[in-house]
Amino acid sequence: GEDVEQSLFLSVREGDSSVINCTYTDSSSTYLYWYKQEPGAGLQLLTYIFSNMDMKQDQRLTVLLNKKDKHLSLRIADTQTGDSAIYFCAESIGTGANNLFFGTGTRLTVIP
Amino acid sequence: EAGVVQSPRYKIIEKKQPVAFWCNPISGHNTLYWYLQNLGQGPELLIRYENEEAVDDSQLPKDRFSAERLKGVDSTLKIQPAELGDSAVYLCASSRGTSGVYNEQFFGPGTRLTVL
Repeated sequence: GEDVEQSLFLSVREGDSSVINCTYTDSSSTYLYWYKQEPGAGLQLLTYIFSNMDMKQDQRLTVLLNKKDKHLSLRIADTQTGDSAIYFCAESIGTGANNLFFGTGTRLTVIP
Repeated sequence: EAGVVQSPRYKIIEKKQPVAFWCNPISGHNTLYWYLQNLGQGPELLIRYENEEAVDDSQLPKDRFSAERLKGVDSTLKIQPAELGDSAVYLCASSRGTSGVYNEQFFGPGTRLTVL
């Protein structure tokens, strides 16, 4: 079955880079995603990567995918206090379904 | 463009009572999802609709949970009777497409249910 794991907490100082890691078990993942959830709000898609890519950069965000090790990471450059939130890694499997399988989330705390 | 709308935002009920949640997806989005998010966990899919058809309800506990999307637009998720373990956030999401390539899911703010 699908199993997506993340570390629970991460604290960084404002201005530093944050790296949030995720491992998954299903090698047939089609897309991998990073979502952000702020208190009392729904999930917001930050970025995604297709499984045949190994890197994607979008402004302050860099996603790295190591398909051999089934490891996904999200790097946030110049982390700001507004980046404090819970970050979820998710995968979708196959080409015919849109179901997402989420990790447990990593709570990022940015210290001013 | 309005986002996914859910109501109520919060609901407190006693166990064994019924409860219903409502979701209005983004206009034009054919696919609608209901997710359950337990405290400290990621969302888990309960049911996925493509238009008015429930195409994946394998994770929906059918003894007490039901859902409908009669006209292929808004949807209702019901629990009857509610149990203490149903306390969680119920998220609704929608996406434009129905299959194949990547389709971004847009999430509503969720309904936080507390069962006493």
